[in-house]
Amino acid sequence: AQTVTQSQPEMSVQEAETVTLSCTYDTSESNYYLFWYKQPPSRQMILVIRQEAYKQQNATENRFSVNFQKAAKSFSLKISDSQLGDTAMYFCAFMKRDGGSQGNLIFGKGTKLSVKP
Amino acid sequence: NAGVTQTPKFRILKIGQSMTLQCAQDMNHNYMYWYRQDPGMGLKLIYYSVGAGITDKGEVPNGYNVSRSTTEYFPLRLELAAPSQTSVYFCASSSINDLGETQYFGPGTRLLVL
Repeated sequence: AQTVTQSQPEMSVQEAETVTLSCTYDTSESNYYLFWYKQPPSRQMILVIRQEAYKQQNATENRFSVNFQKAAKSFSLKISDSQLGDTAMYFCAFMKRDGGSQGNLIFGKGTKLSVKP
Repeated sequence: NAGVTQTPKFRILKIGQSMTLQCAQDMNHNYMYWYRQDPGMGLKLIYYSVGAGITDKGEVPNGYNVSRSTTEYFPLRLELAAPSQTSVYFCASSSINDLGETQYFGPGTRLLVL
């Protein structure tokens, strides 16, 4: 069974600074996806970034980037130039690559990020 | 596109009552999912569907039922509500293409069972 671990329950960062959220996972699968979802106080789950395990290049989306270390089973999220609107719970999630019947997301417990002015 | 929509946003149920949580998507996605999120936790899969007429259990299906008569709708039925079903419920949908699969979530339904 796959597991996802987020070891930082809470973090804070000053506006405009950079913060890194940690995520490790455990799987015997070789083909899979990894995701970071953001959940603001509205509770909406918003996709932040996604990484295919077969790609060596780290995914980036504007101010968000990941450091994907497949051998170490590590998938951290870096937020640059933090903004007040980045304040949210951040969930790391794992999905097998076999398609819909296997495609449910396995979530970590989340990291609560507070961006301070 | 509205994406994934869910109704109601919030509901209070008494123990033993029943209700249906509605979920609709207008992206023509084949795959749909129901998750629950308990306080301080990530989401756990209740049921999923890979297409109209096909559903299967996830990690925590007890106390719930689903149906998928069309591609667009995937309602979740709670029979005999219990306090343990107090949670936030998320519906999600996805399709698989050359880029793989990404799930898109609805805004959630907060359910309180008293």
